Amino acid sequence: SQQGEEDPQALSIQEGENATMNCSYKTSINNLQWYRQNSGRGLVHLILIRSNEREKHSGRLRVTLDTSKKSSSLLITASRAADTASYFCATDANGANNLFFGTGTRLTVIP
Amino acid sequence: GAVVSQHPSWVICKSGTSVKIECRSLDFQATTMFWYRQFPKQSLMLMATSNEGSKATYEQGVEKDKFLINHASLTLSTLTVTSAHPEDSSFYICSAIDPDRGIYGYTFGSGTRLTVV
Repeated sequence: SQQGEEDPQALSIQEGENATMNCSYKTSINNLQWYRQNSGRGLVHLILIRSNEREKHSGRLRVTLDTSKKSSSLLITASRAADTASYFCATDANGANNLFFGTGTRLTVIP
Repeated sequence: GAVVSQHPSWVICKSGTSVKIECRSLDFQATTMFWYRQFPKQSLMLMATSNEGSKATYEQGVEKDKFLINHASLTLSTLTVTSAHPEDSSFYICSAIDPDRGIYGYTFGSGTRLTVV
């Protein structure tokens, strides 16, 4: 399977704290993306990082990529209750157009 | 921005019947669309890649006679679950690539919750 893995599977934090999620993948990639999914809904694209980039920021989001370790992390700073959702990484394994998703992290931010 | 509309958002059907799910790109033309399946509290599993005007490419383990995909136009792909069984109950999500946005152009539908009784 080309599916990546994420850890932790579930994360519960207090509002205002930072949340870090990790993703590992198996094949070479051109880019890695992070998505958010509210329960039973579609996916919202958060951020994309290319294979030649090591770090990227977008608002309260910070993504890192280590292609030598085939891993990425998503940091959400100053979390809010509205950040409660599942977060998935996705890779374009071997440069194909289709995306393969990680197992996801369920984040709960407690007000 | 690019919008993908998926319909219906939920459907309940009887075992043995067929169900069709539509995925439309509303403001862009998508030569390629993707169909995913998601079980509760699990990740999205790619089922197939739908190519306009040609046969879909199915991932290993996905029965193409069970999950019929038609991509007859640049804005519409359909997934038909044939002879549905309770184990087909799942959340199905489509996505399309907006070619004008390249790798930033993956856009997902809001999903269809299928329940087979």
